[in-house]
Amino acid sequence: DSGVTQTPKHLITATGQRVTLRCSPRSGDLSVYWYQQSLDQGLQFLIQYYNGEERAKGNILERFSAQQFPDLHSELNLSSLELGDSALYFCASSGHGGLNQPQHFGDGTRLSIL
Amino acid sequence: DAKTTQPPSMDCAEGRAANLPCNHSTISGNEYVYWYRQIHSQGPQYIIHGLKNNETNEMASLIITEDRKSSTLILPHATLRDTAVYYCIVGRDNDMRFGAGTRLTVKP
Repeated sequence: DSGVTQTPKHLITATGQRVTLRCSPRSGDLSVYWYQQSLDQGLQFLIQYYNGEERAKGNILERFSAQQFPDLHSELNLSSLELGDSALYFCASSGHGGLNQPQHFGDGTRLSIL
Repeated sequence: DAKTTQPPSMDCAEGRAANLPCNHSTISGNEYVYWYRQIHSQGPQYIIHGLKNNETNEMASLIITEDRKSSTLILPHATLRDTAVYYCIVGRDNDMRFGAGTRLTVKP
């Protein structure tokens, strides 16, 4: 058990819809990261938050957005969903941004777009 | 793009040591080497990381060459539950780029 909690585990929705994925980091971790893993691609880094502020951006689409709340949990919002957005979405957390602490991953949310 | 090169697949006999190589010839001085593994579609599991010294923990050992251009992850006594995709990543905290990894199959 990594200590990172993601909900829901599975999500099935239709094209054009909007969903919100939630992540609770390990106790004490200030950084939260979001990744996407599609069948035909590896783990792609989307975005990082550190103590409520956006720290780094990767290959995140404009239709996607994220935020980190004062209690440090984070949400990833995906809108105008397309079939290609079907993927596993992982959240990870680490202790201190920029200090090379390893990231610890949750079990992911499997998003299926019908 | 990932900054590492790993063999796409390897086999190992149960109970034997599994040695997984990784080349990272363009590593810069402040970048660490991290190893993760992913079992089926579970979340990646952190194994070990290091800067230049060899490291050991309860899961594995990490051997980094003196020039830091390559490293080897050693699972001392592989079990069937170690069958997974192993990722070698070079980077810093907020810049970890996962490549395709090595699919390790532990066989009875």
